[in-house]
Amino acid sequence: SSELTQDPAVSVALGQTVRITCQGDSLRKYYASWYQQKPGQAPLLLAYGNNNRPSGIPDRFSGSSSGNTASLTITGAQAEDEADYYCNSRDSSGKDQVVFGGGTKLAVL
Amino acid sequence: EVQLVESGGGLVEPGGSLRLSCAASGFLFRKAWMSWVRQAPGKGLEWVGHIKSEADGETTDYAAPVKDRFTISRDDSKNTVFLEMNSLKTDDTAVYYCTTLGSGSHYGYYYYYMDVWGRGTTVTVSS
Repeated sequence: SSELTQDPAVSVALGQTVRITCQGDSLRKYYASWYQQKPGQAPLLLAYGNNNRPSGIPDRFSGSSSGNTASLTITGAQAEDEADYYCNSRDSSGKDQVVFGGGTKLAVL
Repeated sequence: EVQLVESGGGLVEPGGSLRLSCAASGFLFRKAWMSWVRQAPGKGLEWVGHIKSEADGETTDYAAPVKDRFTISRDDSKNTVFLEMNSLKTDDTAVYYCTTLGSGSHYGYYYYYMDVWGRGTTVTVSS
């Protein structure tokens, strides 16, 4: 199956912009979706497809894609954005499966 | 209110079986594709499998580690999706989440997304 690679940890100063990336061959064919997970909580969908956001998700979260890399950009990071972030996409192996990245722990300093 | 509520988790010995349920409300369940995602203690998210709607053939797909041991089914009359787990291993210990599975495409690029999540149910496989 395909793999999606994320940096294990990223930090950002309060109010600054941070980009969290996700790399994998499947991203050349399929868009990624992005999820935020805080300790003890279920994941929350942040962005999917061509930069679509579910209702209620602040517009400081945006998704983009180029080649084999998908990115989640947080513009003006807030203290409450400190969390784990995961990408996923459809598997490109020809099977109708889903693959997740390993996750990125974001620290807001 | 759109909601998913999982149940059925617990402690089971290696080699045992368990059946998880996920009750849906607040949306048209029979048209929804549903998936299961798990998270081992201190680890990341792992897709387990999904089931499409009856209109889409109720087809299922599974991750390699659970294929031939786990089975996903649904009862649209009860707005419920199930995860039958057999031959359980210690590596199956995790929180199991039920999710809706949306799909779409944009200029030929296809995508899946999991927009509604339950709170999860914990499965512990241990002797």
